[in-house]
Amino acid sequence: EAQVTQNPRYLITVTGKKLTVTCSQNMNHEYMSWYRQDPGLGLRQIYYSMNVEVTDKGDVPEGYKVSRKEKRNFPLILESPSPNQTSLYFCASRQYRDRGYEQYFGPGTRLTVT
Amino acid sequence: GNSVTQMEGPVTLSEEAFLTINCTYTATGYPSLFWYVQYPGEGLQLLLKATKADDKGSNKGFEATYRKETTSFHLEKGSVQVSDSAVYFCALSSLRGSQGNLIFGKGTKLSVKP
Repeated sequence: EAQVTQNPRYLITVTGKKLTVTCSQNMNHEYMSWYRQDPGLGLRQIYYSMNVEVTDKGDVPEGYKVSRKEKRNFPLILESPSPNQTSLYFCASRQYRDRGYEQYFGPGTRLTVT
Repeated sequence: GNSVTQMEGPVTLSEEAFLTINCTYTATGYPSLFWYVQYPGEGLQLLLKATKADDKGSNKGFEATYRKETTSFHLEKGSVQVSDSAVYFCALSSLRGSQGNLIFGKGTKLSVKP
C-alpha cells in the first residue's frame, strides 16, 4: 500500500530535550516536505527536499533541522524544543517534476513541549 | 508572492443543504489548484484538483472549477451529509518561484447537523 508513515504519532517532551520525528514513504517520490498545523494559521511549510541531499527552507524553518540521506526518509529534528513548537506536524511526499501531482500526507505527529 | 485566501469558518449546515466554500488565489504563472480534506483526527487527503483554467475537479459529489479570470476555485456540493464534517483546505502549487510547494489557505471547518 502506497503510504507516508510518521513516528511517533504522539509525543510529550520537555523544553530543550532533543527529539526526532521520522518520516518514510514507499512511493519512490523525489519530493518530501514537512508542515506544521496550528489553529487559525492553517498549514505552514517548515522544510522541503527535492531529492537526496537537497533540502531547503520553507516558511517557518527556525528551530528545526532536516536531513535527506535516503530517498525514502526525511526526518525532522528539533535540537532544543521550545513550547512554541507545540503543534501538529505532517510529512508529505510527491513526484517532483509535475506541479499537478498531489502530495500524499502522513497521519500526523502531535507534539507537546512543556 | 503566491497566496490562498479561503472563507473563514466554522460553517454549520443541516444535512442535505447546499455547500459553497470560497477560495481565491494570487500566483505567478499557471498554478495547479487543490482541495484537501482533513477528517477529525486524521491527516490530509486530496479531495479534488484542477491543473489548468476552466478545468473542473470533482470527487464524492464535490466540485470546483478553476476560474482564471476571477482567480477562484470555489468548492461546492449540492447536498451535504453528516459524514462530510471536516476541515477543508484550498491550496495551490506553482513551479514559478516556489518549486511546486503547496501554499495552503487557513482551512474552513464544516459541521453538518442531522
